[in-house]
Amino acid sequence: SQTIHQWPATLVQPVGSPLSLECTVEGTSNPNLYWYRQAAGRGLQLLFYSIGIDQISSEVPQNLSASRPQDRQFILSSKKLLLSDSGFYLCAWSPTLNTEAFFGQGTRLTVV
Amino acid sequence: DQQVKQNSPSLSVQEGRISILNCDYTNSMFDYFLWYKKYPAEGPTFLISISSIKDKNEDGRFTVFLNKSAKHLSLHIVPSQPGDSAVYFCAARNTPSGYALNFGKGTSLLVTP
Repeated sequence: SQTIHQWPATLVQPVGSPLSLECTVEGTSNPNLYWYRQAAGRGLQLLFYSIGIDQISSEVPQNLSASRPQDRQFILSSKKLLLSDSGFYLCAWSPTLNTEAFFGQGTRLTVV
Repeated sequence: DQQVKQNSPSLSVQEGRISILNCDYTNSMFDYFLWYKKYPAEGPTFLISISSIKDKNEDGRFTVFLNKSAKHLSLHIVPSQPGDSAVYFCAARNTPSGYALNFGKGTSLLVTP
């Protein structure tokens, strides 16, 4: 069966520090991968999606970037965090782009 | 611009009764709708979906109804159980234009014994 791992579960970072969140999927090959964010009081917003290695699409302009160095690894990064980057970040995968997405456990990021 | 709206932030239902969670959307091009369930400190779990060519989809205790003319969908849980207590997110997609799932803000369901 397929599983998705996302870490860390919680993270507190100072403003201006870098960020790296990692997500890996097991039990499948060539998954479509997504990064979502849920800011306080808001729904889930798609940040990035990827259909293959080094193929990243950004849905919204922001202070973050994503990379996919391996087929089942998806990384969310920032060079300098802002207070507004605080939120709940979720990695997800789907077998194709036209199906439901399956989510990881999420990372609660607090920028202080 | 919130294209998917869940206007009830919370709902409390007695165990054994029906829970009805509502969702409205503004984009008439949405063609696929989903419901996710989320427990605290966990990622959302896919529950049930419906294509715009249907008006009902049922899976066990969960049924989703779609009213395209009203741009409204609802999730019915019958009978409700205490383990159903969670936040429920409605999501929608306009598949031809991309892959983003547009989520509502969620409704927190509490099922009391």
